[in-house]
Amino acid sequence: AQKITQTQPGMFVQEKEAVTLDCTYDTSDPSYGLFWYKQPSSGEMIFLIYQGSYDQQNATEGRYSLNFQKARKSANLVISASQLGDSAMYFCAMMGYALNFGKGTSLLVTP
Amino acid sequence: DTGVSQDPRHKITKRGQNVTFRCDPISEHNRLYWYRQTLGQGPEFLTYFQNEAQLEKSRLLSDRFSAERPKGSFSTLEIQRTEQGDSAMYLCASSADTHNQPQHFGDGTRLSIL
Repeated sequence: AQKITQTQPGMFVQEKEAVTLDCTYDTSDPSYGLFWYKQPSSGEMIFLIYQGSYDQQNATEGRYSLNFQKARKSANLVISASQLGDSAMYFCAMMGYALNFGKGTSLLVTP
Repeated sequence: DTGVSQDPRHKITKRGQNVTFRCDPISEHNRLYWYRQTLGQGPEFLTYFQNEAQLEKSRLLSDRFSAERPKGSFSTLEIQRTEQGDSAMYLCASSADTHNQPQHFGDGTRLSIL
């Protein structure tokens, strides 16, 4: 069975600073995919970044990067140069036949 | 690419009534997923289709729930004899039929049971 753990219910960061959102996972599958989604207060789920278990390099998408440590089973999301619009819930998820989500981390970016 | 569309955005109904939600996926996507999200939680998987075939169903999907995707395009999710515990956001997502493609979500249907 797969399990995603996000231990930070809420995080604060000041505008223009970097922030790391933690995600650990557990799976017995040798091949897997990890995803991060953003959910603003308006409710839509927005895909941010993907990391495959066999990818040699950490994924990056603009201001988002993934700190993937396979031996530790962690896939932390790093947001650089935070903006006020980054305030939202952030979910880490693993793909089985469907996405298995963590409980999320609420990020508040302050001026 | 018009994105995933869900209808209605909000549904308020009395306990015991039947409700039906519709999802129109991104046109070239073969896979379609339904999730349920309650306050303070991540989305939970309900069921998924590859084309018109329903391939997996969660234990969360009691016999009061049924989903269809008759022509492999849009999908409907029906809840019969609604209960208070059915109040949630129902999310639909679609993806291409290749390994580990990201799922693209609709805006969801928020169901409130009176």
